[in-house]
Amino acid sequence: DQQVKQNSPSLSVQEGRISILNCDYTNSMFDYFLWYKKYPAEGPTFLISISSIKDKNEDGRFTVFLNKSAKHLSLHIVPSQPGDSAVYFCAASGMGGTYKYIFGTGTRLKVLA
Amino acid sequence: AAGVIQSPRHLIKEKRETATLKCYPIPRHDTVYWYQQGPGQDPQFLISFYEKMQSDKGSIPDRFSAQQFSDYHSELNMSSLELGDSALYFCASSLRGTYTEAFFGQGTRLTVV
Repeated sequence: DQQVKQNSPSLSVQEGRISILNCDYTNSMFDYFLWYKKYPAEGPTFLISISSIKDKNEDGRFTVFLNKSAKHLSLHIVPSQPGDSAVYFCAASGMGGTYKYIFGTGTRLKVLA
Repeated sequence: AAGVIQSPRHLIKEKRETATLKCYPIPRHDTVYWYQQGPGQDPQFLISFYEKMQSDKGSIPDRFSAQQFSDYHSELNMSSLELGDSALYFCASSLRGTYTEAFFGQGTRLTVV
């Protein structure tokens, strides 16, 4: 049973445009959400996180939005750059983020020059 | 800044052999997580440790065991290896507390032949 889902396995975006990656979760106990970026044969790299007490967190070109009622979060990358091309995983945790991280299935983003 | 160190980076073993993967967390981090990522799959949580005690257990086979030592490094021991154990194994570390992110190592690619 996949508690964290990323329904789009891949996404292509033109350089300079906005990339929107989506993530849905089913467990209402999750209260901390993270986005990781992963290149082939490398470990996931932390990008940005959000706790359930917020609905938005911004860090440079990256913004994460959380809609608790819909159990949905999204990562916006503006403007998208070719170096952003990677697989993006969302992860969720409970108990204030001290519980294990459950990962989504990943979305492969390709930014076209 | 020091990152999570995993060794070895690559490992080739034959079926029914034993393998030991090592993880050295970021200094002062007290929590270690182990994940397994098969080809085309999301990272699957195996096991975690906090202050040398097992804190959570996921889909870790009985053939695998792990521990965290007094210097906080962790080892994942895998016995009676099967072809299906071939995967990337990631270790992550964090400092226990609310809403803190985990940082991942580069991973160990295990190939069972």
